[in-house]
This record gives sequence, structure tokens and C-alpha cells, in this order.
Amino acid sequence: GAVVSQHPSWVICKSGTSVKIECRSLDFQATTMFWYRQFPKQSLMLMATSNEGSKATYEQGVEKDKFLINHASLTLSTLTVTSAHPEDSSFYICSASGTGPYEQYFGPGTRLTVT
Amino acid sequence: AQKITQTQPGMFVQEKEAVTLDCTYDTSDPSYGLFWYKQPSSGEMIFLIYQGSYDQQNATEGRYSLNFQKARKSANLVISASQLGDSAMYFCAMREGRNNAGNMLTFGGGTRLMVKP
Repeated sequence: GAVVSQHPSWVICKSGTSVKIECRSLDFQATTMFWYRQFPKQSLMLMATSNEGSKATYEQGVEKDKFLINHASLTLSTLTVTSAHPEDSSFYICSASGTGPYEQYFGPGTRLTVT
Repeated sequence: AQKITQTQPGMFVQEKEAVTLDCTYDTSDPSYGLFWYKQPSSGEMIFLIYQGSYDQQNATEGRYSLNFQKARKSANLVISASQLGDSAMYFCAMREGRNNAGNMLTFGGGTRLMVKP
């Protein structure tokens, strides 16, 4: 099956700094990528939909100036958490759509801890 | 209203027995797809099974089968012959729309399955 990678797998940063998370589709071109956030013992919540070459579409309640998404190529989308705060600590997961209706591939996730 | 509802926050099952994880969904779109994912403690999302709204037969993948009851809007996951490695969180998800590859997945709240030896 298709592979989606995420880097880094975990990161610890200080409050006020910015962190960039990369999501790559390794063996297919992904026109659309999705960014999810998952708090402990909770489900995945969609943050934004990232389309190659255009601005991301953010879900209600997600601050677009805080969570910057760039989808510059068909294989790479990045999420930058700007001016991170402890409440941004979470598990961030990206996914990429293939061509088939059942093709939704997830990255391994990035665990962010803000101290 | 919740689009995907998983009413069992946690379940126990004896090793080698079968278990059913419940999922109900809500949509007015005639075209949709239903997914089940397994999430172990590592956090990765492991795809288990998919059912399209127009699929005539229930989907099966090895020990996993999906009991699709369209009129009831339910898509329960059945795991046969449970193994200790099946202990994990299980999420039901839905994607709406005919050309839905570019559409997001909406997830249920999840069910934590614990397999007893």
C-alpha cells in the first residue's frame, strides 16, 4: 500500500516557539492532504484540508494564523504551529488521498509537547 | 448532530472469541464510504476495512468483516477469533460524496478493545 511519512515523529519545544511538521506521500501524488489533531483518549478532529497549489481550508475554530499549512508540491504538505503554547500539545496526524474511494493513507503521527 | 456514533467506549473480549464493535452513521448523501481503523498505542492509524454505500455485499478482510445495514445506518465491525494483538482503539469513519477521494473522513469517538488471555 501507499506510504505516508511524517517528520518529526515527536518534538518538544518551548512555549512561544514555532514547530514545523512535514507530511510526505512517498510513492504517489497526493492532490489533497488532511491534517488531524488528536488529544489523549479522544478521537481525531480534522483541522484543515490542504490542496496542492492553493490555500488550505480550515475547520471552524482552527486558527489559520496559528496553524500554517503549506502544500507546495504533490508529495509534501507542512503544518507549522506558530507561537506554540502548552495547550497545543497534542498528536498531529496527516493523511493523503489516493485515487480510489477507499484510499486514505495516514502518516504515523507527530507527538508535540510544548513546555 | 454526530455523524458517526460509537456507543461502546470500552469493551473486553476473551481471546479466540468474536467481538462486534458498533457504529452508526448519519448522512443524507446517497454516496458515501465507511471505514474502520485500528489505532494501537503507537498512534498509527491502521486501515482495516472499507464499505461503499453502493456495495451489495458486506466487506470482509481476513478476520474482519463489516456488518452493513444500510436502512439502519449501521456499519458494525466484527472481529473473529480475537487475538491479544487486537487490543487497541478502533475508529469508525465516514467519507461523503460520490467523487469523494478528496473529501475528509469524519471519525467516531472510538472504542477501546481489550482482549483477555
